[in-house]
Amino acid sequence: QKEVEQDPGPLSVPEGAIVSLNCTYSNSAFQYFMWYRQYSRKGPELLMYTYSSGNKEDGRFTAQVDKSSKYISLFIRDSQPSDSATYLCAMIGGSSASKIIFGSGTRLSIRP
Amino acid sequence: GAVVSQHPSRVICKSGTSVKIECRSLDFQATTMFWYRQFPKKSLMLMATSNEGSKATYEQGVEKDKFLINHASLTLSTLTVTSAHPEDSSFYICSAEGQGIDTQYFGPGTRLTVL
Repeated sequence: QKEVEQDPGPLSVPEGAIVSLNCTYSNSAFQYFMWYRQYSRKGPELLMYTYSSGNKEDGRFTAQVDKSSKYISLFIRDSQPSDSATYLCAMIGGSSASKIIFGSGTRLSIRP
Repeated sequence: GAVVSQHPSRVICKSGTSVKIECRSLDFQATTMFWYRQFPKKSLMLMATSNEGSKATYEQGVEKDKFLINHASLTLSTLTVTSAHPEDSSFYICSAEGQGIDTQYFGPGTRLTVL
């Protein structure tokens, strides 16, 4: 079983829709949860960074962590074509504090 | 956020040659740098972790003699792919963290194609 599972998509939605991206994980030691956005042929860019369970909002983006279910989500409101990218969830914690474990990424396409 | 650069952004080489990729932290001192590899439509896989002035720690399955990592200063780490083969073709990404930096920041990546 992979430590982090993420649906690879692709996910295609119309402009203005609410997008929900999700990851599940198996290691209960994970404490920090991140979402990265990666445009084609570019390095990943940090979008959101949360610690432990709860919600965090930043503009059109909301990150949600449910440690009891080992489930994290990223919501994008009022989606724009410029949001089209691959979104990777990532986690840190446990015995190797700096080692980031990434999900496989979800390809998102926002249709104008 | 902090800025990390990589050079070159793209390189094409012949099989059997060696290729060096540079990773620089531009506005902070990177005490630790990480090298990742990413295949198309796949996640980033950590190859090795390097701390300034010491030997890199390689992940299981990564050949240290093939992927030479040097972290000689607090702003520069290099990855040298020795005797490159077509199966080494991939997207190589570095990241860096340091004092006062809350997380790892990633470089833009280097696309390596071995013919």
